[in-house]
Amino acid sequence: AQKVTQAQTEISVVEKEDVTLDCVYETRDTTYYLFWYKQPPSGELVFLIRRNSFDEQNEISGRYSWNFQKSTSSFNFTITASQVVDSAVYFCALSEGYGNNRLAFGKGNQVVVIP
Amino acid sequence: ETGVTQTPRHLVMGMTNKKSLKCEQHLGHNAMYWYKQSAKKPLELMFVYSLEERVENNSVPSRFSPECPNSSHLFLHLHTLQPEDSALYLCASSQVLDRGGVYTFGSGTRLTVV
Repeated sequence: AQKVTQAQTEISVVEKEDVTLDCVYETRDTTYYLFWYKQPPSGELVFLIRRNSFDEQNEISGRYSWNFQKSTSSFNFTITASQVVDSAVYFCALSEGYGNNRLAFGKGNQVVVIP
Repeated sequence: ETGVTQTPRHLVMGMTNKKSLKCEQHLGHNAMYWYKQSAKKPLELMFVYSLEERVENNSVPSRFSPECPNSSHLFLHLHTLQPEDSALYLCASSQVLDRGGVYTFGSGTRLTVV
């Protein structure tokens, strides 16, 4: 069973529009960590944020914001006033409280920002 | 500079060739990973080395052979590959005792098997 679901595969927005990427996760652990990574065309996955299961505070970092809702097992990511440089694939990932911090990735959201 | 360096960036090889992918990390991490990323597919975890010991091998064909000589270096030896093995191969590292440890990724090797 897929532990991390990112339903939207490709999202196109016009520059300066906001875009929200949905992430729904599944776990039986009470302690877990959620991540978002960005993969630009250059290939490497760039870490954006980590959130542990006990911290439900939403977070804002510049034009990026994250909404963590345990009640719906969701960890959504919003880019405000999108720019062309935001064009990338964005991955949501889950690390559960066992083993060697194995990361389970979603399939990713391809975001295309049109100038 | 990501702290995780992969070479080569691009590789084209025939099905009868033998080649190796290299990964090096300078972050003091003690766990290293190989991922395969194919078009339209999720990231697939191939191998995990923790404290230089292979701890996971996710049903990867034997034509892929990993090697971790020390905590800073990771190799993926390739032989008699198939065209469906063409993909982006990503290396990552993390600190294994840090629960919820952040993975740092390299830029990947784009492999094309002809």
